[in-house]
This record gives sequence, structure tokens and C-alpha cells, in this order.
Amino acid sequence: GAVVSQHPSWVICKSGTSVKIECRSLDFQATTMFWYRQFPKQSLMLMATSNEGSKATYEQGVEKDKFLINHASLTLSTLTVTSAHPEDSSFYICSARIRGFDQTQYFGPGTRLLVL
Amino acid sequence: GQQVMQIPQYQHVQEGEDFTTYCNSSTTLSNIQWYKQRPGGHPVFLIQLVKSGEVKKQKRLTFQFGEAKKNSSLHITATQTTDVGTYFCAGLGGFFSSGSARQLTFGSGTQLTVLP
Repeated sequence: GAVVSQHPSWVICKSGTSVKIECRSLDFQATTMFWYRQFPKQSLMLMATSNEGSKATYEQGVEKDKFLINHASLTLSTLTVTSAHPEDSSFYICSARIRGFDQTQYFGPGTRLLVL
Repeated sequence: GQQVMQIPQYQHVQEGEDFTTYCNSSTTLSNIQWYKQRPGGHPVFLIQLVKSGEVKKQKRLTFQFGEAKKNSSLHITATQTTDVGTYFCAGLGGFFSSGSARQLTFGSGTQLTVLP
């Protein structure tokens, strides 16, 4: 149980385009999902916390107009990188927490974004 | 804000040797979690420690949570090549001032290489 999927797993796009990444909890309801970014050989940096039905909470330094997050249902959150630039190239990982008191986060397989 | 430091950054061991990674938080934690990320993969949850002074074992892995709930360690006995990967600790802090979801702060990770 507690499987999180992400789509797409790989995306290559031209500079200036927008990219949407989906994060789904497959076998549980997730009231809270998290979006992380990881650069090569570095740790995971939390970008934002997404709560179902409300606005996402962004970490300091993360532009909310650039990284649009929508958590429309208890099983789906989306991250849209708008007007992507090469410096946005990274590994984006989402995680979800099962509804309730368990604080364990279950991670999706990640999405590798390369902006040319 | 909350900071979680992890050392060492890299560790190379011969197969059969022991390995330890240490984690220190700048603030008292609610709990600490450990994750393993294989090369090219995503973080996979290993364990969660909640109580002060708690020690948990998973086969050859021993996890400890400090008495002050500010530090933690992961010790692997007799490493195997399958242990290769990056081990992250992640501390769960208190609530945001707004009362929204608590967040995990990841350590920088320890990249373990096991030489056959």
C-alpha cells in the first residue's frame, strides 16, 4: 500500500514553455502533498506544501507564480512550471501523507525535467 | 528556520565493514525519519523514530534518536553492496505559526559506496 505515482517521469522542453507534473496517491487519500526539488548530488529541498482544497504554502525563495500548485482532489496534486528556463532543470519529487496522524511521507518516483 | 545537518557527506567502505551516518538538528524535533535513495531513484522510507532515546533495528540497520530529540544516527553492520545509496535523515518540526501542516526538513544526505 501507500503508492504514489508521478507523471511524466521524464520531460524535455524548450525554454519558455510550461510543464505540468502530476502526483497521484493510488491507494490512499492524501490531504497533504509536498513538492520537492533535488539537484544532482544534493538533498531534497521542499518547495511547497499542498493541501487539498486550499492554496499551497510555498517555502521562502520559491516563486508561487512560477511554480503553480493545484491540489484539486484527495488523490491528485499538480505542479506546473510556467515559462521554464534551463535553470529550472531538476528532479522534482512529490510526496503524500496519509490522511490521519501518521507523519510518514510516501514519495513518488520523481520527474526529471530538462529545459533546453 | 529549522536546519538539519548530516555527516559525513560521503563514505566509502569495504564490503563487510560497518557504516554510520549522523544527523543533528538545530531545534528539538517531533520525530525523525530516515530514507534511502538509490542512484537514479527516489527516496524510500526506512523508519520513523518518535521517542526520546529510542533505538530501533531492522536487520543490520540500527537507528537511534537522541535523548534531547535533536540528533539521530543510522548504523549499518557488515555492509553489503545492496546497501549502496544515499541515506537521508529528515526531521519533523513543530507547526508553522499559521497552524498548517508540519514539514520535514531533510539533511544533506550521506552517500554510501560499498566496495566489493
